[in-house]
Amino acid sequence: DTEVTQTPKHLVMGMTNKKSLKCEQHMGHRAMYWYKQKAKKPPELMFVYSYEKLSINESVPSRFSPECPNSSLLNLHLHALQPEDSALYLCASRVDPPGDSSYNEQFFGPGTRLTVL
Amino acid sequence: TQLLEQSPQFLSIQEGENLTVYCNSSSVFSSLQWYRQEPGEGPVLLVTVVTGGEVKKLKRLTFQFGDARKDSSLHITAAQPGDTGLYLCAGNARAGSYQLTFGKGTKLSVIP
Repeated sequence: DTEVTQTPKHLVMGMTNKKSLKCEQHMGHRAMYWYKQKAKKPPELMFVYSYEKLSINESVPSRFSPECPNSSLLNLHLHALQPEDSALYLCASRVDPPGDSSYNEQFFGPGTRLTVL
Repeated sequence: TQLLEQSPQFLSIQEGENLTVYCNSSSVFSSLQWYRQEPGEGPVLLVTVVTGGEVKKLKRLTFQFGDARKDSSLHITAAQPGDTGLYLCAGNARAGSYQLTFGKGTKLSVIP
């Protein structure tokens, strides 16, 4: 299995809803990422997990809450989002943890298209 | 802060033409990657270049890393409609780093 999967593909939610995005990989990668991507822009890093521990939080608002239940799964819990949070949310993983001779080659999932009404 | 300047931002060409996309920085990167992204999908890794002066080929795509590891180029020969997409370069500041510095992307449209 050489892919990163994400569910759902599309999500529409109101500002008072609570929802979760899911990401899964079975490549044995030990670093997993959440990115946010607006139209015609490059991905923006949100969170990095390494060995199931949160390593980087790029000053993301608390209405986004990441969770890494095990080495294959990554969740992003959403609560009280704003319309400006509408975007493509991408999950990525990579082979080696920091500190190794890693080229930081990241493998992306297909993304979840989120619309906040 | 390391920046990657990508050019051109938009490119629309006829099928069969050649094109080059550039990715430039004033900073040195330990490695650099090129991704292609189609609308509504995640970026797909095309290549990683590591050594200054390195040239890699992937069918009709040729990737080059500058001698000083500050810049890179992507050349496509005889473009096909299937090459249409957003091309992103992404630099790795140092070995073992978590974070990639992304260029703003080049939106390529190949017209049949």
